[in-house]
Amino acid sequence: DIQMTQSPSTLSASVGDRVTITCRASQSISNWLAWYQQKPGKAPKFLIYKASSLESGVPSRFSGSGSGTEFTLTISSLQPDDFATYYCQQYSSYSSMFGQGTKVEVK
Amino acid sequence: EVLLVESGGGLVKPGGSLRLSCAASGFTFSRWSMIWVRQAPGKGLEWVSSISSTGSDIYYGDSVQGRFTISRDNAKNSLYLQMISLRAEDTAVYYCARVQYGSGLLGAFDIWGQGTMVTVSS
Repeated sequence: DIQMTQSPSTLSASVGDRVTITCRASQSISNWLAWYQQKPGKAPKFLIYKASSLESGVPSRFSGSGSGTEFTLTISSLQPDDFATYYCQQYSSYSSMFGQGTKVEVK
Repeated sequence: EVLLVESGGGLVKPGGSLRLSCAASGFTFSRWSMIWVRQAPGKGLEWVSSISSTGSDIYYGDSVQGRFTISRDNAKNSLYLQMISLRAEDTAVYYCARVQYGSGLLGAFDIWGQGTMVTVSS
């Protein structure tokens, strides 16, 4: 089974900061990786697919990179609306699709 | 507007059953694979089940295999999740979502419903 591990679990940051979240797969998933943003009480919002492709309508301050087993989500300049929990999701196989989440909180 | 709306959640006793529905609108439902994902209170996202556009291919997560049944009615633009033998650990918000940008049943989930809460408790 593929396991997805995100780090850190919590990240404290300020508006304007550059923020990077890491997602590691226990085995290669090529570039079959997506990223989501979730706010309390809301459904996840789709951000990035195929590791680095930005979904239409998502602000360009979000970017993704990586392949194989290591991936990153970067927010170039954190905005007030970006404080949320972020999840990675592998779609190489049906096992353990999601990482455990990274909460971006106000520093 | 592309929309998914879940319904059917509620309070059920351990061992009980529940059927969730997901109504799709704003896109050609019959062309898309669909999934159910759940989120226990204060926890992360867990994939539950996937179904192909025609319903011919179906997959389940280990924790629900044998107890949950996913199905769809393309004529009614609807997705379903029949849940039996419910346990306390099935308590969660259940989301339906559309599969996109992948291959077959595997892909990213681009459109999500608002979720429906299932509580399993005596």
